[in-house]
Formats: sequence, C-alpha cells, structure tokens
Amino acid sequence: KNEVEQSPQNLTAQEGEFITINCSYSVGISALHWLQQHPGGGIVSLFMLSSGKKKHGRLIATINIQEKHSSLHITASHPRDSAVYICAVSSYNTDKLIFGTGTRLQVFP
Amino acid sequence: GAVVSQHPSWVICKSGTSVKIECRSLDFQATTMFWYRQFPKQSLMLMATSNEGSKATYEQGVEKDKFLINHASLTLSTLTVTSAHPEDSSFYICSARWAGGNQPQHFGDGTRLSIL
Repeated sequence: KNEVEQSPQNLTAQEGEFITINCSYSVGISALHWLQQHPGGGIVSLFMLSSGKKKHGRLIATINIQEKHSSLHITASHPRDSAVYICAVSSYNTDKLIFGTGTRLQVFP
Repeated sequence: GAVVSQHPSWVICKSGTSVKIECRSLDFQATTMFWYRQFPKQSLMLMATSNEGSKATYEQGVEKDKFLINHASLTLSTLTVTSAHPEDSSFYICSARWAGGNQPQHFGDGTRLSIL
C-alpha cells in the first residue's frame, strides 16, 4: 500500500462544476503539499498546509490531521484547470516529499 | 516570487553523449535542490538531494557516476547524464528550497531528454 493515496485517478468535468480530489496518507507528516502539473510537465506548488484550510482564488485545500486526510476543491472549474494534481507529504524525519500517484483532471467546455 | 528556471527544456542527442541540465533559483537562495525523474503517466521519482557546497545524496538504485550532480552555488545546481543511452530518456525536473523550517519546494519546468 502506498504511503500517499489519491482518488480519483482520473476525473472529467464540465466547465463550472465543483471538483474535489482526495488524499490520504499513512505516515506522520510535517506538511502536506498540493501540486499542479501542466500538460507540458512544469509543476506549480499550489498549497502547503499543516492544519486547517487554505484558499487561493477558486482553489481550496483542507487537511484533517487526526484522520490523515486532505482534500483539494476547485470551484467553478474551467478548461484551463485541466492538469494532473499531485498530493505530496513531507515526513517528520526527512527532507523528502512522498508523492501520491496524481489525479488527472480534464474539464470540458 | 520563488522562480526556478530549468534549462534546456528539451534535448535530443545521440547515444554516448553527455548532457548537462541546469537548475537555477532566480529570486532566492536555494540551500537544497532536488532532482527528480518522471516516466510517462507515473509519479515523480527522487533521484538525489543536493545541498550547496556538499556532495549530493543519491537515492537507492541511482548511479552516482551516471548522474553527476553539482551544487556549487546557492542559485545553481546541475545534473549531468554521462554517456547517455536510450534507457536514460525521460523527463527530468528539479526543485529548490531555501533553508529555515518547513519550506515548500519550488519546481522548474523540467527537461525532456530523448536519447537516440
């Protein structure tokens, strides 16, 4: 079993829909990261959080430390949101990130 | 802020060639840089971690003589794929982070390497 599990693996949506991507982890963490990988390969760091909730524009990330679970929400989705969304965690005892397998999102007009 | 520039973005070369990829932090000092490899539709795989002024720490199974990493300054790390072969063809991406507590990693745009 992977230390970081994401669901769903693939997601299609119509423009305007509300989207949720889930991430569960099984290790102790110092922070959880949500990353966006564009079709060309470049990666953007969307959020780093260790508790509660963060919001940036139409994106919202939440984390429940007790349940070891995080969600990424996209409100009013748009075709430009189409990308792979990756959940990653920083564990307590290492610099390294542990990555989920990613969620491939396609938003159609 | 926190821009990481990776160059080149795309390389095609013949088998046996050595290829150097640069990773630069443009507006911050990166005490730690990470090099990843990614195969199609797979997650990022950490190859090595480099700290400025010291030798890189390689992950298990990554050949240090094959993938030479240099982090000579706080804004530049390089990955050299020596005597590249077709099986080295992949997407390579770096990230950089500055010191001090729990800091996020900032990623470059990646380099797509194709060895003929």
